Amino acid sequence: AQSVTQLDSQVPVFEEAPVELRCNYSSSVSVYLFWYVQYPNQGLQLLLKYLSGSTLVKGINGFEAEFNKSQTSFHLRKPSVHISDTAEYFCAVTPLTPLVFGKGTRLSVIA
Amino acid sequence: DSGVTQTPKHLITATGQRVTLRCSPRSGDLSVYWYQQSLDQGLQFLIQYYNGEERAKGNILERFSAQQFPDLHSELNLSSLELGDSALYFCASSATGTGDGTQYFGPGTRLTVL
Repeated sequence: AQSVTQLDSQVPVFEEAPVELRCNYSSSVSVYLFWYVQYPNQGLQLLLKYLSGSTLVKGINGFEAEFNKSQTSFHLRKPSVHISDTAEYFCAVTPLTPLVFGKGTRLSVIA
Repeated sequence: DSGVTQTPKHLITATGQRVTLRCSPRSGDLSVYWYQQSLDQGLQFLIQYYNGEERAKGNILERFSAQQFPDLHSELNLSSLELGDSALYFCASSATGTGDGTQYFGPGTRLTVL
């Protein structure tokens, strides 16, 4: 079975500072990897996904993630965060169809 | 706006009751997924339908059932409700039934069981 561990439940960061949200996964088969963002009182929005090819994936809103197969990680990064990035971020994996989500990381951007 | 619609937005009901949540997928998407989000369990997959047929089943209780209709909208039925069923229920849709198909999420239905 697949599992996802998001290593930090909360990450506070000052505006314009860089941020990294960590995600590790466990799977005995090849997986597809996703990062979703959930703004308060809203549904989940896809930030980026890794299916194959280049291990560095660029997404929306200036976010990027790097797939590292040997470390089974898919960390999300942004070089300079804005107040509007305050939200819950979910890492997810799927070998086939249903997504297996991590517990989420709450990113709080401080002015 | 993801293009996935869910109704109602909020639902308040009592223990023992039955409710129906509705989801309309994005135009052209054949696959519908249901997820439950609660504080203690996080986001959990419940069930998937593809073009009217059940495709995958997750941690869905026997008190819960779902179906996908010919027009591809889906309903999630929750019966004999318990306090612990209070959660956000999300519907997602994708064009394909395979893992590389991006899932687009609706805004969710917040269920409160009193």
